Amino acid sequence: IVLTQSPGTLSSSPGERATLSCRASQSVSSSDLAWYQQKFGQAPRLLMHGASSRATGIPDRFAGSGSGTDFTLTISRVEPEDFAVYYCQYHGNSYPNTFGQGTKLEIK
Amino acid sequence: QVQLVQSGSELKKPGASVMVACKASGYTLTRHAIIWVRQAPGQGLEWMGWINTNTGNPTYAQGFRGRFVFSLDTSVNTAYLLISSLKAEDSAVYYCARTPSGSYSDAFHVWGQGTMVTVSS
Repeated sequence: IVLTQSPGTLSSSPGERATLSCRASQSVSSSDLAWYQQKFGQAPRLLMHGASSRATGIPDRFAGSGSGTDFTLTISRVEPEDFAVYYCQYHGNSYPNTFGQGTKLEIK
Repeated sequence: QVQLVQSGSELKKPGASVMVACKASGYTLTRHAIIWVRQAPGQGLEWMGWINTNTGNPTYAQGFRGRFVFSLDTSVNTAYLLISSLKAEDSAVYYCARTPSGSYSDAFHVWGQGTMVTVSS
């Protein structure tokens, strides 16, 4: 399963809405799709699991949606601490459990 | 507090070996699968494989078979990644991560801080 994220880079201003896309090469179960945030020099952090369930401590401005081959991570109002790289991941029973190539959210 | 604490940065010469440690803190290692992830400089995340911490059975993604070995020492609650015959292209940050269960097929709720391995003559 190949995950393709778009756009590669997204420029946003604080307070704006940001929409990140993740497309799978074949249909995957929503329960097998996760999103991670990685800031420079840090380990990734789980944001969403099961496509739409926020991980512990993740603010509700982050929302995940989608099914089948198309999944979306939406940040309703971007905060300064949200500028980072975001990865989607397939973590189902098929090997390997792949990551998308990432979307960099940068300050406009 | 549940943590995965990894060993420090390593600088190795081509052809040498390196072992990266991932110590589980705040829980028993054998209760949760350990997954290894590589991140080359400026690149994305790459799923290397996982180890069943109950049986010690490792599974490797294609591209990580042969020179990469996952192992455990349950007496010290630690998982290990051994890379042998190092090449320059092995230079990367290596992460261990944990799922909520004994299975690999779940999201990674806990991550180690990463270990940078640099291979240079």
